[in-house]
Amino acid sequence: QKEVEQDPGPLSVPEGAIVSLNCTYSNSAFQYFMWYRQYSRKGPELLMYTYSSGNKEDGRFTAQVDKSSKYISLFIRDSQPSDSATYLCAIGTSGNRKLIWGLGTSLAVNP
Amino acid sequence: EAGVAQSPRYKIIEKRQSVAFWCNPISGHATLYWYQQILGQGPKLLIQFQNNGVVDDSQLPKDRFSAERLKGVDSTLKIQPAKLEDSAVYLCASSPWTGGAGETQYFGPGTRLLVL
Repeated sequence: QKEVEQDPGPLSVPEGAIVSLNCTYSNSAFQYFMWYRQYSRKGPELLMYTYSSGNKEDGRFTAQVDKSSKYISLFIRDSQPSDSATYLCAIGTSGNRKLIWGLGTSLAVNP
Repeated sequence: EAGVAQSPRYKIIEKRQSVAFWCNPISGHATLYWYQQILGQGPKLLIQFQNNGVVDDSQLPKDRFSAERLKGVDSTLKIQPAKLEDSAVYLCASSPWTGGAGETQYFGPGTRLLVL
């Protein structure tokens, strides 16, 4: 079993839709949960960061961590064409410097 | 604040040739990372430096890949000789402090390598 599983998609939605992106993980020791966004031909950039469990909201973006299910989610409300990108989950622990990266989910928001 | 700079942006070489990539991290950032990202996959950490010391190079294919970070600032990643499977985007990232898993990493635009 991989440490992090992420459906690569692609996911195509109409403008204004609510998007749900997800990752599952296997190690209950993970504490840091991040979502990076990567536009085509660019490097990833941090979008959302959550420590331990719970929800975090930033504008149209909400990150959720369910440690009991080992499941993390990123919700995008009122999706825009500018949200078209690949979304990578990345998780880690304080005991290991290395982040574990998902494959990334490719999202296309159609006007 | 200037971002992470990488050069070249694109490189095409034939197998068995050598290639080098350069990275200039954000000023003052102590930790520097090199990642390999194959199309359709997440980044794979090749090597992590804290200042000019190596923290993690467990996934670096040391028979052909080498990296250095002189004076704890710029870094160079070299492949010698290249194989077809080295075709990928090579990403450089930096973070401000010790490079713990909870630190934000700031990425450069990457170097796209195609090995023919």
